[in-house]
Amino acid sequence: NAGVTQTPKFQVLKTGQSMTLQCAQDMNHNSMYWYRQDPGMGLRLIYYSASEGTTDKGEVPNGYNVSRLNKREFSLRLESAAPSQTSVYFCASSPRELSYNEQFFGPGTRLTVL
Amino acid sequence: KQEVTQIPAALSVPEGENLVLNCSFTDSAIYNLQWFRQDPGKGLTSLLLIQSSQREQTSGRLNASLDKSSGRSTLYIAASQPGDSATYLCAVRFLISSGSARQLTFGSGTQLTVLP
Repeated sequence: NAGVTQTPKFQVLKTGQSMTLQCAQDMNHNSMYWYRQDPGMGLRLIYYSASEGTTDKGEVPNGYNVSRLNKREFSLRLESAAPSQTSVYFCASSPRELSYNEQFFGPGTRLTVL
Repeated sequence: KQEVTQIPAALSVPEGENLVLNCSFTDSAIYNLQWFRQDPGKGLTSLLLIQSSQREQTSGRLNASLDKSSGRSTLYIAASQPGDSATYLCAVRFLISSGSARQLTFGSGTQLTVLP
């Protein structure tokens, strides 16, 4: 099993450009998450999907949109990138929401917005 | 506001030493607490998950404890090795009044260096 995979690994954008970060998991998990990590700060939740067909805002959703394409895939879109969105983005999954199970993380996407 | 704090931000110890990493949280009403390891440039790896009804969890040389009343968790690493060098993050899922729980709230981590 590959676990949680993310593409791309690195990306540089100019202010105003758009892009989509892709995430896929092969563990048949119901719940998926998008986080951002900034220097000196913990991870902050952007959006999550408790199950296929549902999405909800997290702590810092402004400037982002998400799509739960199917059970395996959860994408994060930046419609008009801003320098404040320079960060490392992590996707995670868990068997189901509010379960006794852990969250499993992908390797991250390092995004720089100039 | 429900927050998670990890102090110190960085710690260096000689190889072989037993050490404790600290995590404090502002609200004792929690669903569970999870410890992660993050290697430079990598994602997070889950180490231990403690449910609110538990006092501790063990995995190999790692032992995590939970004291909800004082709002503290510790991660004990026995006989530290250079391979333990990484950033260790604590994350808490707080309960909310409706009986459900918030998403994970992360601390900013403790960067551990184990010197050969």
